[in-house]
Amino acid sequence: EADIYQTPRYLVIGTGKKITLECSQTMGHDKMYWYQQDPGMELHLIHYSYGVNSTEKGDLSSESTVSRIRTEHFPLTLESARPSHTSQYLCASRDTGVAPNEKLFFGSGTQLSVL
Amino acid sequence: AQSVTQLDSQVPVFEEAPVELRCNYSSSVSVYLFWYVQYPNQGLQLLLKYLSGSTLVKGINGFEAEFNKSQTSFHLRKPSVHISDTAEYFCAVSSRSGNQFYFGTGTSLTVIP
Repeated sequence: EADIYQTPRYLVIGTGKKITLECSQTMGHDKMYWYQQDPGMELHLIHYSYGVNSTEKGDLSSESTVSRIRTEHFPLTLESARPSHTSQYLCASRDTGVAPNEKLFFGSGTQLSVL
Repeated sequence: AQSVTQLDSQVPVFEEAPVELRCNYSSSVSVYLFWYVQYPNQGLQLLLKYLSGSTLVKGINGFEAEFNKSQTSFHLRKPSVHISDTAEYFCAVSSRSGNQFYFGTGTSLTVIP
């Protein structure tokens, strides 16, 4: 059973608002990821972290920022949301180990709509 | 609500043998379907997707999947696997509105020489 949680599940906000999407995992995983997905399109990696105080930008450019102060917590922040940020945001984590144990676990996602 | 079930957590198969990775989903709305692959020490990569049209979808590396609406399945197949196909495979489903997106728990494919 995956122990990775995202909140909120749905979020509808107005343009210009600051928002934080929460992601937490209780599995002690070092590696965590944020993906963005639009309808009918593939996932795109926007941020990842390999441990506390380690964050990197992913393949897809994003105006969001992330932080990793604690192993279990990997929040994503948009300082000023715009309609172009409307998307599905998925958080994932995996352990640092020997394949095939490095399986990805996914949260349930946050559907963000910016009006 | 939607959910995705990958029936096999681990699938060992000999090199050059055929393989089928099973995926079933439940949904009350029309969906898009995806298969992703995660090779060791790498990120996710899209193998193939079904949006509409022909129910047989061909992807990269010789993989294909067939959408079966009546059985709500989207099984992934390859007629002859290679050692390099050893990886974790994820089935995913999203609503056409994009409001919901679900991953299966993954199937670990191990190709044996």
